[in-house]
Amino acid sequence: GNSVTQMEGPVTLSEEAFLTINCTYTATGYPSLFWYVQYPGEGLQLLLKATKADDKGSNKGFEATYRKETTSFHLEKGSVQVSDSAVYFCALSDFQGAQKLVFGQGTRLTINP
Amino acid sequence: DTGVSQDPRHKITKRGQNVTFRCDPISEHNRLYWYRQTLGQGPEFLTYFQNEAQLEKSRLLSDRFSAERPKGSFSTLEIQRTEQGDSAMYLCASSSYQRQQETQYFGPGTRLLVL
Repeated sequence: GNSVTQMEGPVTLSEEAFLTINCTYTATGYPSLFWYVQYPGEGLQLLLKATKADDKGSNKGFEATYRKETTSFHLEKGSVQVSDSAVYFCALSDFQGAQKLVFGQGTRLTINP
Repeated sequence: DTGVSQDPRHKITKRGQNVTFRCDPISEHNRLYWYRQTLGQGPEFLTYFQNEAQLEKSRLLSDRFSAERPKGSFSTLEIQRTEQGDSAMYLCASSSYQRQQETQYFGPGTRLLVL
């Protein structure tokens, strides 16, 4: 079945460091890919998405490119801030019946000032 | 756009009791999803509605779980005879399916603790 594998956390960086969180997927067909962010005690917020190969999703300085050849959707940000501390989830939309989301296990990111 | 809302935000119950959660989707969204998230894990799909019809249920959804979406608006998720293993965050999401694409918007979740 479809699945998503994320870089294991936790990840700790200093403010203004470069961030990469790796995400690879296994899917039949051509799923849409998503990054969601979860702040402490809250639900998930959509960060960015890409719906086809070579699309780049971007939002709030974060970027991710849909790479079909490597089945990857790595999240990057050039200069992180303390406010970026959260848990990040990579997900794909499963087209088998309902377009339910299949999530990775999440990566906890902590940014130190 | 007021977003997806869920009620209650937190629920503590004793094993064997029944609990019911409510989700109010974004108005005009015709699709509604329920997910369960346990500590340190990503959310897992439970069930899905298109308008008032429940079209798919996960194998995770045992007979003790039931969900409804009367009139295609709000939805309820009921757990009967709760067990400690039911302790989790229950997330609701809604979406509008357009041009073969959709984006799901999540509510804040209901955190359930079964003692």
